[in-house]
Amino acid sequence: DTAVSQTPKYLVTQMGNDKSIKCEQNLGHDTMYWYKQDSKKFLKIMFSYNNKELIINETVPNRFSPKSPDKAHLNLHINSLELGDSAVYFCASSQERAGGGLYNEQFFGPGTRLTVL
Amino acid sequence: AQSVTQLGSHVSVSEGALVLLRCNYSSSVPPYLFWYVQYPNQGLQLLLKYTSAATLVKGINGFEAEFKKSETSFHLTKPSAHMSDAAEYFCAVKFNQGGKLIFGQGTELSVKP
Repeated sequence: DTAVSQTPKYLVTQMGNDKSIKCEQNLGHDTMYWYKQDSKKFLKIMFSYNNKELIINETVPNRFSPKSPDKAHLNLHINSLELGDSAVYFCASSQERAGGGLYNEQFFGPGTRLTVL
Repeated sequence: AQSVTQLGSHVSVSEGALVLLRCNYSSSVPPYLFWYVQYPNQGLQLLLKYTSAATLVKGINGFEAEFKKSETSFHLTKPSAHMSDAAEYFCAVKFNQGGKLIFGQGTELSVKP
């Protein structure tokens, strides 16, 4: 039973298009994240949500808009895609409050490989 | 500034040899420390984490790491490498509850037969 799932796994699209990536976790965690992994494998956080509230918003172009309809889902919508957006996007979740601990690890989804042509 | 550095973007060892992957952090207070592994075309999987209960932490697949506050290090080791250990390894730190994970640059481990 998948803990953190993402759809789609692969996404190939043209520059200028708008696309969305969906993420769902069935771990009952209160916090979800989006990370971007570039071609050099470097991982950087983009956003985090705690119980549908935006907690972390790194320096990300406003073409990227996260949406959390409930604490089990965190979607990422990207407008006007650019070549530089090509990367692997990972969703993750963890329990940070209400019984969570400082040492709680984040659980990662399988990733979505976005290719912008 | 708080940061984490992994020395060596690529490490190659022979099967059966010792694996040593280095991780150092920069912070005035010890962070919460994690090692993750990423197999090709997969997500990240937790190997181990430092919880302050003991400085030597044992993880999955025979890996362990030792927290050394004086050296601000959390190096990952495995006594005997297997071919299946070939993957990308990431050291990550967190500095507060609910805070983001800051990842090192990653170290690609290759295992030669």
